[in-house]
Amino acid sequence: AQSVTQPDIHITVSEGASLELRCNYSYGATPYLFWYVQSPGQGLQLLLKYFSGDTLVQGIKGFEAEFKRSQSSFNLRKPSVHWSDAAEYFCAVDTGTASKLTFGTGTRLQVTL
Amino acid sequence: KAGVTQTPRYLIKTRGQQVTLSCSPISGHRSVSWYQQTPGQGLQFLFEYFSETQRNKGNFPGRFSGRQFSNSRSEMNVSTLELGDSALYLCASSLGQDSYNSPLHFGNGTRLTVT
Repeated sequence: AQSVTQPDIHITVSEGASLELRCNYSYGATPYLFWYVQSPGQGLQLLLKYFSGDTLVQGIKGFEAEFKRSQSSFNLRKPSVHWSDAAEYFCAVDTGTASKLTFGTGTRLQVTL
Repeated sequence: KAGVTQTPRYLIKTRGQQVTLSCSPISGHRSVSWYQQTPGQGLQFLFEYFSETQRNKGNFPGRFSGRQFSNSRSEMNVSTLELGDSALYLCASSLGQDSYNSPLHFGNGTRLTVT
C-alpha cells in the first residue's frame, strides 16, 4: 500500500525567508502527488499536483514543488514566505483509485515577523 | 460558484448516540468523499460515493456509513458513538474522474465532539 511521510512536524521561518517542506512517498510506480494547505478552522485547499511531465510544478500562492523519482520525494518550496502562509501543510498520494487520497501527517508552519 | 458546504459546523453528542452529517458538493460534482481528521491518526479516508453508489471504502467499522442522493448531496452516519469518534469530518467533492484530473475540493468540516 502507498504511504506518505512528512518528517517535519513543525517548522518556524521568518517572514521573507525561503521555505522547503519535505515529503517522501512509498509506492511502486509514480503516483499522483498533491500538496494541500489547511488554515485553522478551514478545510483543505489544493496548492499543486503532479503526475507526469516537468518535475517542477507551479502552484497557487507562489508555491512550487519538485518531484524526484530517485529520492521518492515531492518537496514543497516557496522563495519568500508571507505571514499569511502560516498553516498546516499536507502532502498526499493517490494511486488513481478514485478520490482515495493517502495523506501525510502534516507539517505545521509558523511564520515569525 | 459555491464551494462544498458541510452542516452542521459543530456537534456535541453523547457516547452511544448516533449522528448524521451532511455535505452539499460543488454544483456539477458527482463524487463525494469523506475523511476523518484527528490529532492522533491524521487524515483518514472513510468512503467515496459516485452517482449514488459507494465506489471506495476505507478501513472503518460498520458503524460508519454514508449515502448519496440523486442531487449528489451526501450524508454520513455514525451509530453507537464512541469517544474516539471525536474528530473533524471533512467532505470533499470532485467530478469523479481520477484525482489528478478532477482534484478534490474540501468543505470546512464538521467538528464532532463525543462526551
